[in-house]
Amino acid sequence: AQKITQTQPGMFVQEKEAVTLDCTYDTSDQSYGLFWYKQPSSGEMIFLIYQGSYDEQNATEGRYSLNFQKARKSANLVISASQLGDSAMYFCAMREGGSNYKLTFGKGTLLTVNP
Amino acid sequence: GAVVSQHPSRVICKSGTSVKIECRSLDFQATTMFWYRQFPKQSLMLMATSNEGSKATYEQGVEKDKFLINHASLTLSTLTVTSAHPEDSSFYICSARTGWQPQHFGDGTRLSIL
Repeated sequence: AQKITQTQPGMFVQEKEAVTLDCTYDTSDQSYGLFWYKQPSSGEMIFLIYQGSYDEQNATEGRYSLNFQKARKSANLVISASQLGDSAMYFCAMREGGSNYKLTFGKGTLLTVNP
Repeated sequence: GAVVSQHPSRVICKSGTSVKIECRSLDFQATTMFWYRQFPKQSLMLMATSNEGSKATYEQGVEKDKFLINHASLTLSTLTVTSAHPEDSSFYICSARTGWQPQHFGDGTRLSIL
C-alpha cells in the first residue's frame, strides 16, 4: 500500500484564487511528520511547510497552510491568493518515527496557475 | 535559511565514464545526507542515506558498486556513478538535514550519458 497518496495528477487555478492540494497518508506510527515541497520546472526542491503528528494547530507559512486532519490521515496543502510563480509540481512527504529521518514522497500534483 | 549546494548542475558524458556529484551543506553541519533519483514526471526515489563517517545505507534495488557514496565530513557528501551507461541518465538530487529540521535539497544534477 502506498504510504503517501496524492490523487490529483494535475490542478488548475485562476490567479489570486485559493487552491487545495490533497494528500493522504498511511502509517501506524504515533510520531511522524508531514511535509510539502515545491518543485519548479528548474528542478530544485523547495521546502514549504511542516506538520508534526502531535501538533494541535494547523501549520501556516505565509500563503501556505496545511489542513491537518489526523483522524482522516490527511494533510492537504492550501495555497491562498495563487500567483503565476506558484505553477510547479507539489510533493507531499512523510517522515516516520525511527526511520532515520527518511522521507517517503507522494507522486506529486502539477499545479498550473492561469492568468 | 539552510542552503545546500549541489555540483555540477548538468553533466553530459560518454558511456563508460564515471561521474562524481558533490553535495555540500553551506551554512549548517549535516548529520545526514540523502541521495535521490528522479525520472521525468515521476516522484523522488530514495537511493541511499549517508551519515558522516559511516557507510551509506542503500535502498533495496540500488547497486552499491554502481553508486558509490562518500560522506567524509559534516558538510560534504559525494555520489559517484561508476562506469555510467545510458540507463543511468536521470536527475539526481541530494538533501541534507540536522536535528529535527526538514530536509533541505540541492538544486539537482541532470546526468545525460551518451
